[in-house]
Amino acid sequence: GQQVMQIPQYQHVQEGEDFTTYCNSSTTLSNIQWYKQRPGGHPVFLIQLVKSGEVKKQKRLTFQFGEAKKNSSLHITATQTTDVGTYFCAGVGEFGNEKLTFGTGTRLTIIP
Amino acid sequence: DAGITQSPRHKVTETGTPVTLRCHQTENHRYMYWYRQDPGHGLRLIHYSYGVKDTDKGEVSDGYSVSRSKTEDFLLTLESATSSQTSVYFCAISVGHHYEQYFGPGTRLTVT
Repeated sequence: GQQVMQIPQYQHVQEGEDFTTYCNSSTTLSNIQWYKQRPGGHPVFLIQLVKSGEVKKQKRLTFQFGEAKKNSSLHITATQTTDVGTYFCAGVGEFGNEKLTFGTGTRLTIIP
Repeated sequence: DAGITQSPRHKVTETGTPVTLRCHQTENHRYMYWYRQDPGHGLRLIHYSYGVKDTDKGEVSDGYSVSRSKTEDFLLTLESATSSQTSVYFCAISVGHHYEQYFGPGTRLTVT
């Protein structure tokens, strides 16, 4: 079945430094989605990418979808304490079925 | 907030007892999902539903059953709880053409 790997599992950064998490799928994806989960909270939808090579920005967050539609990344510029949490990618299979496969997540902690 | 509630929010139960978790939505969405979240595993799909009385298995369905007799309610039952089912359980609904998901607040289940 479809597998989605995410690295790193943990990342500790000084406030103001940049952060990147990477997501790789074993199969081609129809689209990829990103979620953020604050400590003690539930996952919250951030964005979805659909097109090959697509790049989207949300303020300090930049999301990319690979040309082959099998990998993606999330980059945060100049991290702030509000960025703390776990970031998950989730892929929808090539034929667009209604199930998502989540990556294992990257937990980001910020050192003030 | 997608109008999703889960009950109970916390439960401690003994091995071998049946447990039912409830997910309730107020916005008449077709698709509903049950996930479990464990450290190092991210979110894993247990079962999902694509309509009243229409359900299908996810990747970790053994030991779980579901029912959906009304659009707004999706029940997850552990017929005979085991310690390996200690976890945080999230319900979700999906919206949109690309199945972006919105999660409930979660239920923390401890099986002793």
